[in-house]
Amino acid sequence: EVQLLESGGGLVQPGGSLRLSCAASGFSFSTYAMTWVRQSPGKGVDWVWVSTISDSGGAKLYADSVKGRFTISRDNSKNTVYLQMDSLRAEDSAVFHCARYKMPTTIRGGIDFWGQGILVTVSS
Amino acid sequence: IQLSQSPSSLSASVGDRVTITCRASQGIGSYLVWYQQEPGKVPKLLIYGASTLQSGVPSRFSGSGSGTDFTLTISSLQPEDFASYFCQQVDSYPLTFGGGTKVEIK
Repeated sequence: EVQLLESGGGLVQPGGSLRLSCAASGFSFSTYAMTWVRQSPGKGVDWVWVSTISDSGGAKLYADSVKGRFTISRDNSKNTVYLQMDSLRAEDSAVFHCARYKMPTTIRGGIDFWGQGILVTVSS
Repeated sequence: IQLSQSPSSLSASVGDRVTITCRASQGIGSYLVWYQQEPGKVPKLLIYGASTLQSGVPSRFSGSGSGTDFTLTISSLQPEDFASYFCQQVDSYPLTFGGGTKVEIK
């Protein structure tokens, strides 16, 4: 059974940092691209793509809104993907989900498994 | 690439045929995905490649379209289908999502 378990969220002041982790199990982690997406609490299906990392970790892509502030990485030996979030802003507040793309090595099949999400609140 | 979904909400009865539209601001080929999301739950993949049904998804769901205009159709609405539906383009970065359509009980 595929499982994705996020951790590391919480309350942080503007300008602060958090590192999210996503522990994966139940599939061959090193052969799948992984992604972080976020949803604003209480705003329906307001989904925003944040970042994607390739299966090897060699390719990393970011939304313009987080480029230069967030860093995605992965440790295939630990079946874990990370999102280092620096210089956090109030508008970054959201529930962050890690997710797996359906098809190994391509994003074209969409996302077939989502973690339950972790709340990040940026406030003073 | 911006995705515009319509309608934003609709009311329908069990057995109704429901159609939801997703329009892309530029051509994306067939790289369009549809999801269903129930309140408090994570999304469920319904359709990828604009028209390919995900394994396990009932055949009353279907998708069509290419280029800029796409449609999700539920041929006969069932009680478990009352949820929100949204599209995602996976043609190019930044990946983007539609604003969603909430399907409510009439």
